[in-house]
Amino acid sequence: KAGVTQTPRYLIKTRGQQVTLSCSPISGHRSVSWYQQTPGQGLQFLFEYFSETQRNKGNFPGRFSGRQFSNSRSEMNVSTLELGDSALYLCASSALAGKNTGELFFGEGSRLTVL
Amino acid sequence: GQQLNQSPQSMFIQEGEDVSMNCTSSSIFNTWLWYKQDPGEGPVLLIALYKAGELTSNGRLTAQFGITRKDSFLNISASIPSDVGIYFCSTYSIQGAQKLVFGQGTRLTINP
Repeated sequence: KAGVTQTPRYLIKTRGQQVTLSCSPISGHRSVSWYQQTPGQGLQFLFEYFSETQRNKGNFPGRFSGRQFSNSRSEMNVSTLELGDSALYLCASSALAGKNTGELFFGEGSRLTVL
Repeated sequence: GQQLNQSPQSMFIQEGEDVSMNCTSSSIFNTWLWYKQDPGEGPVLLIALYKAGELTSNGRLTAQFGITRKDSFLNISASIPSDVGIYFCSTYSIQGAQKLVFGQGTRLTINP
């Protein structure tokens, strides 16, 4: 069974640009969550999607957005990039959205560097 | 907001030694989760705890859900080189949503 797949794995952007990251969850999983990981702030929740609907959102500015498609694949977008957006962006999928089962499966992440 | 205080921040040990780390909070939780992150990888769930006082093992790993529901402990016995990585405690911030909050992590380094 394939795991959570994130693309691209690495990317470099400059300030002011925008970026789109993609996540394919484990087959059959319908819940996708996104997290930002930085050395200073650790792992921070961005948002969660289930059945193409955003269920919850973390404390990030509106420059951070996401969506989920009918096949459960998800994308997140960051517009007007800032240096502080440099981070590892992690996607996690779960079969049981809305239930605190602990069974979040993470991808390897997309490492974004903003110059 | 909810804050998980994880300690120690880093550990440098010899292979074969036992490891202990903990996570505390001023809030009460119904779930404690322990993840491990290897370099260049995403976090992987090691142990999930759902009941106060619960003690659960996964091989050489043992985790406990504190009686007060405000803390949790993770122990690793007889450490080996592949135990190197960052260990995170976590719990759910909002009931009914898959929103995890994480501790700052314990970075484990093992000298062979």
